[in-house]
Amino acid sequence: DTGVSQDPRHKITKRGQNVTFRCDPISEHNRLYWYRQTLGQGPEFLTYFQNEAQLEKSRLLSDRFSAERPKGSFSTLEIQRTEQGDSAMYLCASSSQGFGETQYFGPGTRLLVL
Amino acid sequence: AQKVTQAQTEISVVEKEDVTLDCVYETRDTTYYLFWYKQPPSGELVFLIRRNSFDEQNEISGRYSWNFQKSTSSFNFTITASQVVDSAVYFCALSAASSASKIIFGSGTRLSIRP
Repeated sequence: DTGVSQDPRHKITKRGQNVTFRCDPISEHNRLYWYRQTLGQGPEFLTYFQNEAQLEKSRLLSDRFSAERPKGSFSTLEIQRTEQGDSAMYLCASSSQGFGETQYFGPGTRLLVL
Repeated sequence: AQKVTQAQTEISVVEKEDVTLDCVYETRDTTYYLFWYKQPPSGELVFLIRRNSFDEQNEISGRYSWNFQKSTSSFNFTITASQVVDSAVYFCALSAASSASKIIFGSGTRLSIRP
C-alpha cells in the first residue's frame, strides 16, 4: 500500500514565474487536502476535494492559486506569478470520507521563490 | 473559532529521560477530534494518534502515552525513556465538526534528544 506522493520534492523559481505541483493520494481515499507550512509554523489549510469537487477554500488561497482534481484521483496546485512570500512547504494529505478521519500526509514540495 | 496552543517551542533532554509535550485546544464544538503528528527532519508528517471528544480514556502505545482531559482542554503527549530517534517537531492538531474536514495545527514543539 503506497502512501501519498508529491512531485516535485523541491522547486526553485524566480519571482513572477508560474509553478505547478502534483499530489497522488492513497488510492482508496476520496478526500484530498492541500496545506502550506512556513518555517517554524504548523501546516495551514488551503483547500480540499471530495472526489473531483473542491468543497472548501481558505482565505489564504489568493486568486493566484488554483487547485484541481479532474478525475478524482491526483490533484494539482498551481501558483501563478509567484511572489517571495509564496516560499513555503506545500503539503498534500488524503483521507477517507467522513468527519474526523485521519489525514495522511505526503513528503511535501518545498518551494523557494527568488 | 478553533485554536491549538503548544506553548513549548523547544525542549531538549538527555536520552532515556521522560518528556511531556503540552497541548491546549479551544473549540466551542462538542464533537471534535484531536491528533498528534511527528515531523522528523525529512519533513514528512507522520500520524501518531487520533482521539475523539467523547473518549477521554488515556492511551499508551509502547513508549508513547497520551493524556486527554476535557476539563482543562488539554491533550498532552509523553515519551518515556526517550531515544535520539524521537528528535523531531511534534504537532498537536484539532478537527472540529463546525470546521468541516480541515485540521487546525498548533505551532509545534521541537524536541531534541541528546545522546
